Amino acid sequence: QSVLTQPPSVSAAPGQKVTISCSGSSSNIGNNYVSWYQQLPGTAPKLLIYDNNKRPSGIPDRFSGSKSGTSATLGITGLQTGDEADYYCGTWDSSLSAVIFGGGTKLTVL
Amino acid sequence: EVQLVESGGGLVQPGRSLRLSCAASGFVFDDHGMHWVRQAPGKGLEWVSGISWNSGSIAYAGSVKGRFTISRDNAKNSLFLQMNSLRAEDTAFYYCARDPTIAVAGSPDYWGQGTLVTVSS
Repeated sequence: QSVLTQPPSVSAAPGQKVTISCSGSSSNIGNNYVSWYQQLPGTAPKLLIYDNNKRPSGIPDRFSGSKSGTSATLGITGLQTGDEADYYCGTWDSSLSAVIFGGGTKLTVL
Repeated sequence: EVQLVESGGGLVQPGRSLRLSCAASGFVFDDHGMHWVRQAPGKGLEWVSGISWNSGSIAYAGSVKGRFTISRDNAKNSLFLQMNSLRAEDTAFYYCARDPTIAVAGSPDYWGQGTLVTVSS
């Protein structure tokens, strides 16, 4: 069981918006930056969001991140079939002295 | 372009050892901490270990502490993971990943393509 809690799956139609939540505690999300990763089938994870809400170059602004207290949220607008993937949140846990990840959320674009 | 290329994976019997390597290029290697993250087939991501830029700070997940050893050679832009006393539950893709800072206190930014370790008799 992961320290960070994500919904196992979310789905939405093409062109719609979806949000993925990531819930933690004061020892992780509450006091550290959150990153979000996209893992397409058969590939390595790719950074989508860092420092809670920043996008690396090349990541479209359809992807956004936010944090409030001990929870973080990834938002994806204008859904495309190519967005179907597993999405993970990650952060440092100061009590565990370890990087921790959520269990992952499978996005289906119907 | 940042590149991280893992090698050394394969099939190994329970109780045996394996050493993974990661060749880094496209960035100043000793400006960054580095991590190993694994993913069992069909499962989620699990952080394994991290090492700061000068090897002064090292951390391990509880599941591998005492069995795995992370190290780096900045002169050769390389990261290593020595895995001893391997168990079936260590079977996974092992990813080399870069920390955006010199330390080991953040989530990775760049990831390699991974190398598969299978522990089975």
